[in-house]
Amino acid sequence: GQQVMQIPQYQHVQEGEDFTTYCNSSTTLSNIQWYKQRPGGHPVFLIQLVKSGEVKKQKRLTFQFGEAKKNSSLHITATQTTDVGTYFCAGKGRFVSGGSNYKLTFGKGTLLTVNP
Amino acid sequence: NAGVTQTPKFQVLKTGQSMTLQCAQDMNHEYMSWYRQDPGMGLRLIHYSVGAGITDQGEVPNGYNVSRSTTEDFPLRLLSAAPSQTSVYFCASSTGRGSYNEQFFGPGTRLTVL
Repeated sequence: GQQVMQIPQYQHVQEGEDFTTYCNSSTTLSNIQWYKQRPGGHPVFLIQLVKSGEVKKQKRLTFQFGEAKKNSSLHITATQTTDVGTYFCAGKGRFVSGGSNYKLTFGKGTLLTVNP
Repeated sequence: NAGVTQTPKFQVLKTGQSMTLQCAQDMNHEYMSWYRQDPGMGLRLIHYSVGAGITDQGEVPNGYNVSRSTTEDFPLRLLSAAPSQTSVYFCASSTGRGSYNEQFFGPGTRLTVL
């Protein structure tokens, strides 16, 4: 079945440093989503990427979808203490006739901690 | 608009007991799903539903049952609780239409099985 691998598992940075987490799928994806989960909270949707090579920005966050639609990254510029949490990628497989086209496969997440 | 609600927030069970985790959404979403989250394991799909009356298994379905009699509700039943089912359980919903399917998560149920 489809697998989504995410690295690193943990990342500790000093406030102001940059942070990147990477996501790789064993199969080609139709789209990829990113979620953030604050400690003790629930996952919250950040963004969805659909097109090959797509790049989207949200303030200090930059999301990329690879040309082959099998990998993605999230980059945070100049981290702040409010960025603390676990970042998950979640991939949706290509459309399959008669199959289940709604399932997302989540990576294991990257836990970001920020030292003020 | 409450979004996705889950009850209870916390639960302690003894091995062998059964219980139902409740999930409801008021966004008229077709797609609902249950995940469990364990340390270092990310979110693993237990069961999901693409509409009322339609359910299917996810990655880790054993020991759990679901049903979807209405669009709003998607309860998760633990048939005979085991310590391995100690976890945080999240319910999520999405429109399921087209290629855009942002998932809205509930606040979670923290379950401990002794």
